[in-house]
Amino acid sequence: EVVLTQSPTTMAASPGEKITITCRASSSVSYMYWYQQKSGASPKPWIYETSKLASGVPDRFSGSGSGTSYSFTIRSMETEDAATYYCHQWSSFPWTFGGGTKLELK
Amino acid sequence: EVQLVESGGGLVQPGRSLTLSCAASGFTFRHFVMHWFRQAPTKGLEWVASISPSGGDAYYRDSVKGRFTISRDDAKTTLYLQMDSLRSEDTATYYCAKHSDYFDYWGQGVMVAVSS
Repeated sequence: EVVLTQSPTTMAASPGEKITITCRASSSVSYMYWYQQKSGASPKPWIYETSKLASGVPDRFSGSGSGTSYSFTIRSMETEDAATYYCHQWSSFPWTFGGGTKLELK
Repeated sequence: EVQLVESGGGLVQPGRSLTLSCAASGFTFRHFVMHWFRQAPTKGLEWVASISPSGGDAYYRDSVKGRFTISRDDAKTTLYLQMDSLRSEDTATYYCAKHSDYFDYWGQGVMVAVSS
């Protein structure tokens, strides 16, 4: 099983601040996917195939990486970005998610 | 508008069974791979099972293999998850999701609590 380790697990950011979340895979994956989940809501697709933005996602978000190391960046934090973000791989079964990064507003 | 609406959750005793349904609308259901995911209280996301468009292929995580069965009724545009021999560790919110290039639509989730 590919284990995805996200860091940090929690963080707080001020409006306008740049945010970077990392996701490390225990073995190489072809792509990384990211999902946003707000409290009490279902997950929403955010970034797919490592760097492509899902429909409706603002361009202040970006993703990059390859192999076992991936990152998720918010260029300039906004209030509405407070949420938990999960990385995800479906290169190999069982499909796995990272433990999540809870991003709070400072 | 794509909609996925789960139902069938509830409180169930260990060892008993429960069947979840996911009513789909707003897209050509029979063309798409469909999935079940779950999220234990205050925990992260976990993939549970997937089914091919034809229903001929199904995949499960090891911890549910032999206990859960994913199925679909394309005429009713409904996805199912039959859960047998339930355990306390199956307690979670269960989500169905549609697959395109990624899991592009998710249901609102249905809670399953396994407890005596």
